[in-house]
Amino acid sequence: SAVISQKPSRDICQRGTSLTIQCQVDSQVTMMFWYRQQPGQSLTLIATANQGSEATYESGFVIDKFPISRPNLTFSTLTVSNMSPEDSSIYLCSVEFGVAEAFFGQGTRLTVV
Amino acid sequence: LAKTTQPISMDSYEGQEVNITCSHNNIATNDYITWYQQFPSQGPRFIIQGYKTKVTNEVASLFIPADRKSSTLSLPRVSLSDTAVYYCLGELIWGAGTKLIIKP
Repeated sequence: SAVISQKPSRDICQRGTSLTIQCQVDSQVTMMFWYRQQPGQSLTLIATANQGSEATYESGFVIDKFPISRPNLTFSTLTVSNMSPEDSSIYLCSVEFGVAEAFFGQGTRLTVV
Repeated sequence: LAKTTQPISMDSYEGQEVNITCSHNNIATNDYITWYQQFPSQGPRFIIQGYKTKVTNEVASLFIPADRKSSTLSLPRVSLSDTAVYYCLGELIWGAGTKLIIKP
């Protein structure tokens, strides 16, 4: 298992600004994942972040809007850039052990006004 | 294109067995099926995972038929604390979630 700490837990941001979300894991992991969960909806994978390489983005998500850093095996950041109200959502990071057994952070609740 | 579909909501009573079924259209042959539980304001929590037939752990059972076009999560003797949203996942595609409400 893993303990995943996400910061901030929530934030209210002005449109046009950017927010960086941090994800810290208590053990070394190869793959980290970033998800978005809009209110009352399921999770949507944004990107997969491997240490030492560029993140792989899913359809509908681009690096300019959601830049990701993965400087080491225990840490990653996701930035939501040039925010608009449509970016209001919960953002979750997760790590995976074994085959698709994932553990999630508590999430960052972002409100863009 | 793979698609994961599950009921939007279910009700049951304490002590009952609850079965939630998910359909997995076009799931890839090498992908596992996984179920998660999510409480409000928390990240999803892994429940169980399987590939084919039946898997059982301390909290649930998972039934997957040979054609792998569906999966059924079985929660034995539910309690009020099992009220949550349950998600099935196949091929990194999440179902919309089933809101399970357990009544006393």
